[in-house]
Amino acid sequence: QKEVEQDPGPLSVPEGAIVSLNCTYSNSAFQYFMWYRQYSRKGPELLMYTYSSGNKEDGRFTAQVDKSSKYISLFIRDSQPSDSATYLCAMFSGGYNKLIFGAGTRLAVHP
Amino acid sequence: GAVVSQHPSRVICKSGTSVKIECRSLDFQATTMFWYRQFPKQSLMLMATSNEGSKATYEQGVEKDKFLINHASLTLSTLTVTSAHPEDSSFYICSARLTGDSNGYTFGSGTRLTVV
Repeated sequence: QKEVEQDPGPLSVPEGAIVSLNCTYSNSAFQYFMWYRQYSRKGPELLMYTYSSGNKEDGRFTAQVDKSSKYISLFIRDSQPSDSATYLCAMFSGGYNKLIFGAGTRLAVHP
Repeated sequence: GAVVSQHPSRVICKSGTSVKIECRSLDFQATTMFWYRQFPKQSLMLMATSNEGSKATYEQGVEKDKFLINHASLTLSTLTVTSAHPEDSSFYICSARLTGDSNGYTFGSGTRLTVV
């Protein structure tokens, strides 16, 4: 079993839809959770960074962490074609410990 | 926010030659940097952890003599792919993190290596 599970998709939605992306994990030591967006042939761009359980909102993006269920989510409201990319969840336990990635979900938002 | 600069963005080399990739932390000191490799449509795979002033720590299955890492200063880490072969063709990305719990990991823009 992988430490972090993420459905690779692809996920195709119409413009304006609400997108829900999810990851589950098995290591209860993880405390820091991130969502990255990666466009083709580019480095990952940090979208959201959360510590422990709770919600965090930034513009159209909302990140949720439920440590009791070992489940994290990223919601994208009013999705745009420019949101078409691969979204990677990532997490680590603290300090400079290894960042563990999910497989990444490919999202396509069509006009 | 923290910025990590990576060069070159793309390189093509002949089989058997060596290629050096640079990763610089701009406006912050990075005692630890990370090197990843990513194949098409796959997630990032950690290759090694680069520590300033000491030897890098390699992940299982990564040849340390083939992928030489040097972290000579607090703002620069380099990855040298020695005696490159076509199977080394991949997307290489570095990462660093500002100290403090409120900071996540920042990634460079990546280097696409093609060995012909």
